[in-house]
Amino acid sequence: DVKVTQSSRYLVKRTGEKVFLECVQDMDHENMFWYRQDPGLGLRLIYFSYDVKMKEKGDIPEGYSVSREKKERFSLILESASTNQTSMYLCASSLPGVNEQFFGPGTRLTVL
Amino acid sequence: GEDVEQSLFLSVREGDSSVINCTYTDSSSTYLYWYKQEPGAGLQLLTYIFSNMDMKQDQRLTVLLNKKDKHLSLRIADTQTGDSAIYFCAEKRENSGYSTLTFGKGTMLLVSP
Repeated sequence: DVKVTQSSRYLVKRTGEKVFLECVQDMDHENMFWYRQDPGLGLRLIYFSYDVKMKEKGDIPEGYSVSREKKERFSLILESASTNQTSMYLCASSLPGVNEQFFGPGTRLTVL
Repeated sequence: GEDVEQSLFLSVREGDSSVINCTYTDSSSTYLYWYKQEPGAGLQLLTYIFSNMDMKQDQRLTVLLNKKDKHLSLRIADTQTGDSAIYFCAEKRENSGYSTLTFGKGTMLLVSP
């Protein structure tokens, strides 16, 4: 069965901390994505990656960076967390040219 | 990018049909999708339609596509309480050789007994 896992379901951090959100997929997918989901705003794409060590900016990359050192793992990094980064973060993966993105369960991050 | 628009909330009674509407922006979109998000979970693909189709039916789900008006709808027949969830419309966009999905804000469907 297809599986995307995220390292934490809930995370509480303080303003200014460096935060790592990890995503792992076991389907050998080339493509991986990070979204944030906010009430009334839907899903917005932060970054995506089409291959190891490759990254592309999405619609809202400011304040975030990513790392893809291995095919199965895609990390989202908040260099200096701020309260406006309190959100639900969703990771997804897919095969190239295939329609379905498979989503993880999400990490609810609260920045105090 | 431009927004994919959906109404935010729909309430129906169990057994009724539900229709969730979406307006997308890119006339060159090749695929359009409906995803479902149950409480506390990630998104799950429900169905998708290729842009050269007008309609697609899959059991209780019917997708209608009006390319001229860039309008997509999802009809759920005989709606059940288990269908209560947030439904996202999404369009596939091509940009510099990459494909990404652009999601609407989501429609919360509440099914009452």
